Amino acid sequence: AQKITQTQPGMFVQEKEAVTLDCTYDTSDQSYGLFWYKQPSSGEMIFLIYQGSYDEQNATEGRYSLNFQKARKSANLVISASQLGDSAMYFCAMREGRDSSYKLIFGSGTRLLVRP
Amino acid sequence: DAGVIQSPRHEVTEMGQEVTLRCKPISGHDYLFWYRQTMMRGLELLIYFNNNVPIDDSGMPEDRFSAKMPNASFSTLKIQPSEPRDSAVYFCASSFPGGPTMNEQFFGPGTRLTVL
Repeated sequence: AQKITQTQPGMFVQEKEAVTLDCTYDTSDQSYGLFWYKQPSSGEMIFLIYQGSYDEQNATEGRYSLNFQKARKSANLVISASQLGDSAMYFCAMREGRDSSYKLIFGSGTRLLVRP
Repeated sequence: DAGVIQSPRHEVTEMGQEVTLRCKPISGHDYLFWYRQTMMRGLELLIYFNNNVPIDDSGMPEDRFSAKMPNASFSTLKIQPSEPRDSAVYFCASSFPGGPTMNEQFFGPGTRLTVL
């Protein structure tokens, strides 16, 4: 079974609007972490935001926020006020277990295109 | 601060040749990860090290792949002999879980490998 599922291969959003990128995960661990990374066309992987499974508040980093719904096992990324530079691939990833493993399992990614 | 450094950035080789990819992690980071990214399989963790010791190599595809970390500032990923199906982008990443960015893995720019 897929550990991380990103069901949107591609998405469009109008500049200055908000967009939500979906991510669902599958784990039986109580302690885990969820990550979002951005990969622009230049190829580098850029860390955006992190949510721990015990964190009660949704994580926020500037225009990025993570809509964490633990019961539904979803960790959607919300980008507010989209900019042209947000056009990129976005990957959701999970780290399972507490401290004992630092492996990241990545989803297949969502390609976001911001229209002017 | 310099980020994770990888060399070469691009490598084109012929099937059967030995390929060595190099990585210099961020100074002070004690975890180092090697990932492979392909269109078909997405981002996969190959192996990771903690304090120069390999912790989990379950993602290494086969015996043709080997990785070493002789010291805290250098790691290699070697493919011998290379095959066309090894063509991919190989990323190195490092992290320092005890620091202020404890959950972030910092990625290098990647090495694009083409095996003809």
